[in-house]
Amino acid sequence: SAVISQKPSRDICQRGTSLTIQCQVDSQVTMMFWYRQQPGQSLTLIATANQGSEATYESGFVIDKFPISRPNLTFSTLTVSNMSPEDSSIYLCSVVLAGGRADTQYFGPGTRLTVL
Amino acid sequence: GESVGLHLPTLSVQEGDNSIINCAYSNSASDYFIWYKQESGKGPQFIIDIRSNMDKRQGQRVTVLLNKTVKHLSLQIAATQPGDSAVYFCAENRPNQAGTALIFGKGTTLSVSS
Repeated sequence: SAVISQKPSRDICQRGTSLTIQCQVDSQVTMMFWYRQQPGQSLTLIATANQGSEATYESGFVIDKFPISRPNLTFSTLTVSNMSPEDSSIYLCSVVLAGGRADTQYFGPGTRLTVL
Repeated sequence: GESVGLHLPTLSVQEGDNSIINCAYSNSASDYFIWYKQESGKGPQFIIDIRSNMDKRQGQRVTVLLNKTVKHLSLQIAATQPGDSAVYFCAENRPNQAGTALIFGKGTTLSVSS
């Protein structure tokens, strides 16, 4: 198994500001993803974080609003830009472990964001 | 996604009972399915998975059944314990432009009373 950590674990932010969330894994991974979970809802995939290249975004999500970096295999960041109260959600990263079961995603603990 | 006819948003059981949580998926191209457990304040935790070439898979106290004919997935928990109380999500793995993507169902909140 792997330890997946996210920073910060929670934050309260003012509208119009931006927050960068970090995801770090202690094992080699093949794929990393970012999800959003709005209050009381299920998880929605934002994008696939690609190492050394631009992330692949799902329909309804754009790079200007959710820029993503993945400078190496085990680290990625998601920025929530120009925040509004509608961005209040839990943001989760997930990974597929190298040498593990293909396609199986394991999740970090999440970052709980509240926008005032 | 989930079928309104099959999905129960909440399920309440007594400790020791068996629990069955249902999920319907919509895409016949989905070839891999995962059940996750999410406790309050935590990220989803992998429970069990199944590939489309199987119809049943067993773990410790959990069994997943897959019926591809009607695109239905179920999670059975034997001898349910208070620690099983959580939200349970099914997820289907679909091909997309990045390779594959997990699509999550709505979730069922399981409450276990002792």
